[in-house]
Amino acid sequence: AQSVAQPEDQVNVAEGNPLTVKCTYSVSGNPYLFWYVQYPNRGLQFLLKYITGDNLVKGSYGFEAEFNKSQTSFHLKKPSALVSDSALYFCAVRDPSSASKIIFGSGTRLSIRP
Amino acid sequence: DGGITQSPKYLFRKEGQNVTLSCEQNLNHDAMYWYRQDPGQGLRLIYYSQIVNDFQKGDIAEGYSVSREKKESFPLTVTSAQKNPTAFYLCASSIVSDTGLSGYTFGSGTRLTVV
Repeated sequence: AQSVAQPEDQVNVAEGNPLTVKCTYSVSGNPYLFWYVQYPNRGLQFLLKYITGDNLVKGSYGFEAEFNKSQTSFHLKKPSALVSDSALYFCAVRDPSSASKIIFGSGTRLSIRP
Repeated sequence: DGGITQSPKYLFRKEGQNVTLSCEQNLNHDAMYWYRQDPGQGLRLIYYSQIVNDFQKGDIAEGYSVSREKKESFPLTVTSAQKNPTAFYLCASSIVSDTGLSGYTFGSGTRLTVV
């Protein structure tokens, strides 16, 4: 079955330090991968995606993600965290059985302390 | 501005009542989705539709119903058969493409509370 896992419910980082939010996936065929961010009481916002090409994908708000095929991972990273980055982050993968469906991970709450 | 609009933002339901959540998009997207989000949890797919007049059940369709009479609209009805409807409901839309995805565009959500 296709799936995506976010092994950490919460990640705590000091402002100015680098951050990593982990994601691993399991899909048949080539994976199409996404990261979304959710602020309190709001919908999800698209951050970045990997379809093909360069393994390092750059997205919104200074975030980037590294696709690693051998480790089936797609970790979200940022070199220097901001307090405003505190939010809920979702990793997602396209369901290969559908032309449009995406499977979401359980989410990781990122907390940046001043 | 193109976007996806959910209304109302907050909704209160009495026991035994049906309520309908609105979702409208002007992005010309073919596909639309409804998700449920419970506190501290991820998204669970309720229903989705890839074309007008057609929709499929997601992982937790019991107690919910949808319609897709227009491309722009995908209302969700929470019926009295849904025993625990209190949650945050998110609507999304996307293009349909075999070659990749532009990702989903989400609405700002409706918070439903049973009183």
